[in-house]
Amino acid sequence: AIQLTQSPSSLSASVGDRVTITCRSSQGVKNDLGWYQQKPGKAPKLLIYTTSFLQSGVPSRFSGSGSGTYFTLTISSLQPEDFATYYCLQDYDYPLTFGPGTKVEIK
Amino acid sequence: QVQLQESGPGLVKPSETLSLSCTISGGSISTYYWTWIRQFPGKGLEWIGYIYYTGNTKHNPSLNDRVTISLDTSNNHFSLKLSSVTAADTAVYYCARRVAVRPVYSFDIWGQGTMVTVSS
Repeated sequence: AIQLTQSPSSLSASVGDRVTITCRSSQGVKNDLGWYQQKPGKAPKLLIYTTSFLQSGVPSRFSGSGSGTYFTLTISSLQPEDFATYYCLQDYDYPLTFGPGTKVEIK
Repeated sequence: QVQLQESGPGLVKPSETLSLSCTISGGSISTYYWTWIRQFPGKGLEWIGYIYYTGNTKHNPSLNDRVTISLDTSNNHFSLKLSSVTAADTAVYYCARRVAVRPVYSFDIWGQGTMVTVSS
């Protein structure tokens, strides 16, 4: 199975900060990688699919980039509602696998 | 607005079969992969498997063929059965809709999740 690693595992940031989370895969996944946001007690929510496509309704401060084995999720200006855990998911090969998550906390 | 809702017992005894259902409302079953995902208490997410609207299925080999996913198109729901459960199967179980038509590959709609505890 393709393994995904995320860094950092957690971070503290202030409102207005630019935040970047990375996701690396153990083998190439082309562009078939997405990002999900999860808040406590809620299901994950799709933010970005196929590396860089913004899901409808998701604010444009979220963006994704990368290819192959290295991907990033960037929040250009962190807002109070963005404090959550973020997961990457590779949709390239079965079994589909998730990264371990990055928790974004308030500084 | 498509919505998914999981249902089933919250407590299952070890060695028994976990059975969950996901009701699909507000949309069509066609062209999607209807998927089960679980989240362990330590927060890790695991893809369990899917059933395509045609009836084709695929599941995570880590589950050693304990998984059965079925689809009831007439009643708009799909189901998960996980046999021979142990405490390691304790998790929040989500149903989700997967889109897989290039360039869109994503889980765009999720149920709210249901907690299942395996304990005697």
